[in-house]
This record gives sequence, structure tokens and C-alpha cells, in this order.
Amino acid sequence: GAGVSQSPRYKVTKRGQDVALRCDPISGHVSLYWYRQALGQGPEFLTYFNYEAQQDKSGLPNDRFSAERPEGSISTLTIQRTEQRDSAMYRCASSSTEAQETQYFGPGTRLLVL
Amino acid sequence: RKEVEQDPGPFNVPEGATVAFNCTYSNSASQSFFWYRQDCRKEPKLLMSVYSSGNEDGRFTAQLNRASQYISLLIRDSKLSDSATYLCVVNADTGTASKLTFGTGTRLQVTL
Repeated sequence: GAGVSQSPRYKVTKRGQDVALRCDPISGHVSLYWYRQALGQGPEFLTYFNYEAQQDKSGLPNDRFSAERPEGSISTLTIQRTEQRDSAMYRCASSSTEAQETQYFGPGTRLLVL
Repeated sequence: RKEVEQDPGPFNVPEGATVAFNCTYSNSASQSFFWYRQDCRKEPKLLMSVYSSGNEDGRFTAQLNRASQYISLLIRDSKLSDSATYLCVVNADTGTASKLTFGTGTRLQVTL
């Protein structure tokens, strides 16, 4: 079956612009996670949802970052007024339930802020 | 101190060798532990969970030492296809079942 998909795969933007990154989890998966991964580092937790409820947003770096999952399926991570330091790979993962700790990752969106 | 620490490597080993990776974690209340594998330019994928009693999956053996807050992964009879980055992962005890904390990863290169 289809895995986690993310779009766009690559995004180049100018400093100060807003960007929206989309994640489509595995069908039926309850939990959805956003991570950021810098080159040579492991993924860093940003936020996560159970259904449409945002359960934990402690990893969001500042208030320019927000995420939503209004219908409990597709999620959008929005970065407002992008800065060069926001450049990274943004990864989404999903799991069948919160208790199911196996997370399936998508291919990621590589964001470059010029 | 980082929450999860790993030697970044790279570990360069010949095919057929046995190689071991270690990882330490700082949160003594951590409940669950995993090894993920990440190929170059790909997403991380779960390799195996790590249980207190130790567990084995084919050529891979994982061990946990809660007293020392130490996790290990042993790969026997290395294959070229084992070349990847191995991420040590810990479930932080925050009341959130699946908030995972990843190490930086240890890079393995298996050569002929």
C-alpha cells in the first residue's frame, strides 16, 4: 500500500516568505509526527497529532512555526517569515496508533531559504 | 549533554566482519528504545526495538543496559547492503507515548 507522502519534495524560497509543507500519512494512521533533520544529524521532534488534535508542540522552535491537521488526515506545517536557519529536511511520520511506536517516515521536504 | 549520544563514525569494515555500535541516553525515565536505519538520502526506517532482555533478529543483536543507560547494536557477518547510518532512538518519558528522540547516527561502510 501507499506509504507516507510529502509535498513538495524540494522547496526553494526567499528569506521572509511563508512556506507550507504538506504530509499525507498512511491511510488510517491515527498519529502524525513532524521532525526536522539537519545534515549529519538525526531527526529532531517538532510536533505531533492524534487525529486532528495537536498533542505536543514542544519541539516547534518559535512562533513562526505552526502545524495543523484539521480533518485528522493530511497535515500542513507552516513556516512564516522564513529565515536561512530554517533550511533543513522536514520529515513527516505516521503510526497506526499513539501506542504503536513504529513510526513510518515519508521522503521529506528539503527546504532551502535563500 | 545530548539526550542520546552516538559515535558518528564512520565505521569502515570488510564484508563478513562483526561490528558493534554503542549509544548512551541521559533520561533515566526513558521507557522504549529502538534502532532505526537510514540509507543515504532516504528516510529512517525501524530496524528493531530493543528489549531489556536483549533481542536478536537474524544477524542483528540489540542490548539494553538500563543501569548504565546504554544501548548497543551488534551486526554479524556484515554485508555490503548493511552500509547505512544507524540511529539510536529513545522514547522520552513525557507522558506522550511516541515522542522519539534520535541520536545523530553512526555511519557504517561495509567494503569488499
